[in-house]
Amino acid sequence: KQEVTQIPAALSVPEGENLVLNCSFTDSAIYNLQWFRQDPGKGLTSLLLIQSSQREQTSGRLNASLDKSSGRSTLYIAASQPGDSATYLCAVHNAGNMLTFGGGTRLMVKP
Amino acid sequence: KAGVTQTPRYLIKTRGQQVTLSCSPISGHRSVSWYQQTPGQGLQFLFEYFSETQRNKGNFPGRFSGRQFSNSRSEMNVSTLELGDSALYLCASSLDPGREDEQYFGPGTRLTVT
Repeated sequence: KQEVTQIPAALSVPEGENLVLNCSFTDSAIYNLQWFRQDPGKGLTSLLLIQSSQREQTSGRLNASLDKSSGRSTLYIAASQPGDSATYLCAVHNAGNMLTFGGGTRLMVKP
Repeated sequence: KAGVTQTPRYLIKTRGQQVTLSCSPISGHRSVSWYQQTPGQGLQFLFEYFSETQRNKGNFPGRFSGRQFSNSRSEMNVSTLELGDSALYLCASSLDPGREDEQYFGPGTRLTVT
């Protein structure tokens, strides 16, 4: 059974810092990995999708990497802003079109 | 293109009642999945529908059921509500159940059971 872990569970940084969020998974037989952002009480916004054959994806200040063999992914956020404050979730796409989610990292960027 | 829509956005029900939630996928998307999000358990997969057929089901009791219509809209139903069913219910759509499809989520329905 796939298990996804995100570290740290919470993070507070001053504005302008670069930061790294970590995601690990136990079964490397994944199809892809998706990073999401969730604002309080809201739905999920897709940030980046990394296919199983890819090593990284970039979108603006965000860069996500994937190392399938070691079961790890990282989300790098450059020059963080207060508007980046949210919960960040990683999810691995398993067989059966099912996403298995990590517990999330709650990020607070202080002005 | 409109995103995934879910109705209603908020719902308050009493223990023992039943509830139906609705999800309209992005136009052209044929796969709809449902997830339950609670503070204790996080996000958990409920089931996935494609072409009006349930293809996969998560580890939830039979009180949770769903269906999909020919226009890909989906409903989920929870019967005999329990306090523990209070949660944010999210649906996601993707183009088809291919293994490399990005999934897009709706805003969710917040269900409170009293």
